[in-house]
Amino acid sequence: DAGITQSPRHKVTETGTPVTLRCHQTENHRYMYWYRQDPGHGLRLIHYSYGVKDTDKGEVSDGYSVSRSKTEDFLLTLESATSSQTSVYFCAISDSSGRTGSYNEQFFGPGTRLTVL
Amino acid sequence: KQEVTQIPAALSVPEGENLVLNCSFTDSAIYNLQWFRQDPGKGLTSLLLIQSSQREQTSGRLNASLDKSSGRSTLYIAASQPGDSATYLCAVVTGSARQLTFGSGTQLTVLP
Repeated sequence: DAGITQSPRHKVTETGTPVTLRCHQTENHRYMYWYRQDPGHGLRLIHYSYGVKDTDKGEVSDGYSVSRSKTEDFLLTLESATSSQTSVYFCAISDSSGRTGSYNEQFFGPGTRLTVL
Repeated sequence: KQEVTQIPAALSVPEGENLVLNCSFTDSAIYNLQWFRQDPGKGLTSLLLIQSSQREQTSGRLNASLDKSSGRSTLYIAASQPGDSATYLCAVVTGSARQLTFGSGTQLTVLP
């Protein structure tokens, strides 16, 4: 299994509070992604990173920000959590170099279940 | 905008049956197509990756094919087992960020 961890694994918070989710990888992969999974909507891309300090928006980026100060860590921040951000959040990584033999194959972390009351 | 569709949405089969899951996508400009498995309350496990230049990939009892020009992929599962029960997701890799666009999945139940 790819070395990807997410923390926390579960979190309950109140509307209006800031929340930061962390994704940590030990694979030295270039690309990192944040997705959310919701019933009826499937998995959707929030933000992604293509290198240290290089990030960009995905399909559903409103209300979220990200940071990547080190190759191994990718943080997702909800500045002021809302009930519509209740979801399961997945981090993923991929390697664009082809070194692994599986060009651009994405590997997922175990997920963070976030509930905003 | 890329759209990915999976048919059927749910499938229930007796143990030992061979089965096919279907995936279609609207834009053929993809880098790869990836099949995942997701168990209830768990993360996604990568099953197979087919690069855009390939026609198929095999792993054990699984075989995935890709017809990029027609925007279709199939996942073939041979000799199904109850442990194969899960949701199977198809996703295509597109864009400068190599991001995944997912289908809504096929929920498979294999009955003992």
